[in-house]
Amino acid sequence: QQQVKQSPQSLIVQKGGIPIINCAYENTAFDYFPWYQQFPGKGPALLIAIRPDVSEKKEGRFTISFNKSAKQFSLHIMDSQPGDSATYFCAALQGGSEKLVFGKGTKLTVNP
Amino acid sequence: NAGVTQTPKFHILKIGQSMTLQCTQDMNHNYMYWYRQDPGMGLKLIYYSVGAGITDKGEVPNGYNVSRSTTEDFPLRLELAAPSQTSVYFCASSYETGYYEQYFGPGTRLTVT
Repeated sequence: QQQVKQSPQSLIVQKGGIPIINCAYENTAFDYFPWYQQFPGKGPALLIAIRPDVSEKKEGRFTISFNKSAKQFSLHIMDSQPGDSATYFCAALQGGSEKLVFGKGTKLTVNP
Repeated sequence: NAGVTQTPKFHILKIGQSMTLQCTQDMNHNYMYWYRQDPGMGLKLIYYSVGAGITDKGEVPNGYNVSRSTTEDFPLRLELAAPSQTSVYFCASSYETGYYEQYFGPGTRLTVT
C-alpha cells in the first residue's frame, strides 16, 4: 500500500511557469513533510520541509502548501528555470519513527 | 568534508554472486540508511542504523544484510544476487532521527544479470 501518493508522474512547463506537484497521504500520524530534489546521476537533496502546524512555507522560489484536513500538500515553483529540471520527491515521517516514506517522484522539465 | 561517499559507482553482478556496497560518511552522523531506487517507484528503505552496532529493517530488507561497526561506515551486503536486485542504491546519513535532513551519497548503479 502506497502511503504517500504523488502526482503527476511527469510535468513539462515553459520557463517562467509555475509547476505544481501534489502529494496525498492517509496516515494522520505523519507530522513532517519534506521535499527532496534529485538531478540526473546524483543523490536526492533536501529542498524544503513543513510541519502540519503551518499551512504554507516559502523558501526562495519554492513554496509548500499544506492542507491538513484534506491530508494533502503540494510544491509550487515560482518563475521556474531550466535549472529546476529535476525529479522531485515528496516524503512523510511519522513521529517517533526513523523511516521516511517517499512518493514515487515527479520528473519536471522546464523548457527554455 | 566529502559528505557521504559510495563505492563502486557501477557494477555488474552475475546471478547468485554476492557483493558488498560500501558507504562512508565523515559528518559524524549517528543515523545511516540504505535505499534502493527503481524507475517510477521512488525510494524504498532497505535497512537503517541509529548508531554503531544497531541496525534495523526497513521496507524491503529481503536479500540484503548490513552491519555497522563504526560511526562512519555502513556497508550493504547482497547475498545470492537476483535480477530483482538490479537497481540504484543510495546510502544516506542524518545527524539524528527523521526530522533532520538526510544527506545522500551519489549512488551505486547495480545490474544483476
